[in-house]
Amino acid sequence: EPEVTQTPSHQVTQMGQEVILRCVPISNHLYFYWYRQILGQKVEFLVSFYNNEISEKSEIFDDQFSVERPDGSNFTLKIRSTKLEDSAMYFCASSGVRNSPLHFGNGTRLTVT
Amino acid sequence: KQEVTQIPAALSVPEGENLVLNCSFTDSAIYNLQWFRQDPGKGLTSLLLIQSSQREQTSGRLNASLDKSSGRSTLYIAASQPGDSATYLCAVIEGTDKLIFGTGTRLQVFP
Repeated sequence: EPEVTQTPSHQVTQMGQEVILRCVPISNHLYFYWYRQILGQKVEFLVSFYNNEISEKSEIFDDQFSVERPDGSNFTLKIRSTKLEDSAMYFCASSGVRNSPLHFGNGTRLTVT
Repeated sequence: KQEVTQIPAALSVPEGENLVLNCSFTDSAIYNLQWFRQDPGKGLTSLLLIQSSQREQTSGRLNASLDKSSGRSTLYIAASQPGDSATYLCAVIEGTDKLIFGTGTRLQVFP
């Protein structure tokens, strides 16, 4: 069964550094998402992406965050200047059509020191 | 603002029991509701999706029901097994793209 793939599985970075989290969604999916889960807390929506543009973003997704689909397969989340509070598990998800089940990757655990 | 709550927060049962996990949401104007399973350190696996026009969905030993008017959904797990041990999350979509997740129920099934 097709899967959403995320790399790396674990990223450690120093405060103030830029990080790029990478995702390969399921190949025929059109809707892409990033979510995050701070340890012990709920899974939170960050951003949705369709037709090469952001369709919705949360309050968390400020100017430090950006997303890109640089080619036909990758979907990336960039954090320009990481803060300690950005430490979390970041999940990429994709779906084929609106309101269909979302398929999640295994996540990237980001640790900011 | 939509709030999604799940009870109980944790559940520990012997193998073979039938279980009910509860999910409640404050705003009934939802498009659909999705149940997920999360294993430690892993991603989210979609279990069932119920459209707002549906009352229930079934997959194997799992059955999910939805009562929009009362803002509730239940996930019924029949004949639980140790392999069912995980955290179960419910999430609603309100007509935008985003899922709003509940707090989760951590389930442990012991042999």
